[in-house]
Amino acid sequence: SSELTQDPAVSVALGQTVRITCQGDSLSIYYASWYQQKPGQAPVLVMYGVNRRPSGIPDRFSGSSSGHTASLTITGAQAEDEADYYCNSRDISDNHRGLFGGGTKLTVV
Amino acid sequence: QVRLQESGPGLVNPSETLSLTCSVSGGAISNYYWSWIRQSPGKGLEFLGYIYTGGTPNTGSTSYNPSLQSRVSLSLDPANRHFSLTLTSVTSADTAVYHCARGQLGATSTGRSYFWFDSWSPGTLVTVSS
Repeated sequence: SSELTQDPAVSVALGQTVRITCQGDSLSIYYASWYQQKPGQAPVLVMYGVNRRPSGIPDRFSGSSSGHTASLTITGAQAEDEADYYCNSRDISDNHRGLFGGGTKLTVV
Repeated sequence: QVRLQESGPGLVNPSETLSLTCSVSGGAISNYYWSWIRQSPGKGLEFLGYIYTGGTPNTGSTSYNPSLQSRVSLSLDPANRHFSLTLTSVTSADTAVYHCARGQLGATSTGRSYFWFDSWSPGTLVTVSS
C-alpha cells in the first residue's frame, strides 16, 4: 500500500538512545528521509538517503534501513530533541507522489 | 541558500477556491520537485502535490495526492520564480497550515533512490470559514 506507518509516540530518558521507525512498501525501493518539527515551526530535514545528515544536524542523529523499515536513531538524546518526527518517501506506483508517515512524538524525560 | 515564502489569503469561504503562491529566492529553479504540503491543526504532514522542473524550467510534470486529485492543481512561473497551488471547492477540512517546499531525488552508487525536501517555507494558516 502507499502508506508509511510510524508509532504515534516514543519516550527516551535524557542521554539515552532512542530509535524511531517507519514502515512501508515504498521503503523497499526508496530510502526514507526524516524531519524534525517543533511546535509552531516548519519541519526541518534531519536525515536523508538513509544516513546523510544536512549541515548543522548533530551527529547523534543517524539513519538505517532494512527491508520495508527505516529507522532514525538518536544516540544520547538531548532535551532539545523533543519534537515530532516524520518520515518521508515516494510512492512506488505510477503516481510517484510524496508520502509522509503519521509522525512520532518524541518525549525526552 | 534557497528561501521559500508563501503568500495568499488567510481566509477562504467554503465552496470557493484556495490559491497560494510560493516565491523562490536563491538557487536554481530547474531539476527540483516544487511541492505543497499542509498540516491540519493537531495533525500530521500531508503531501498535496509537486511540479517537477526537470530538464528545462519551462516544462513541469506534476503529481498529486490522489485524495485531492480532482480539486488540486499546481503551476509554475519560472520567469518570476514562483509556483502556485490551487485547491477548489474547499471545506472546513481544508483548514490547515500550508507549506511550500523544494524536493529532490537522488540515488546511491548502488542505484537505490531517495527523495527529500531540503527547504521549507515558514507556513501560512488558511482557514476555511464563512
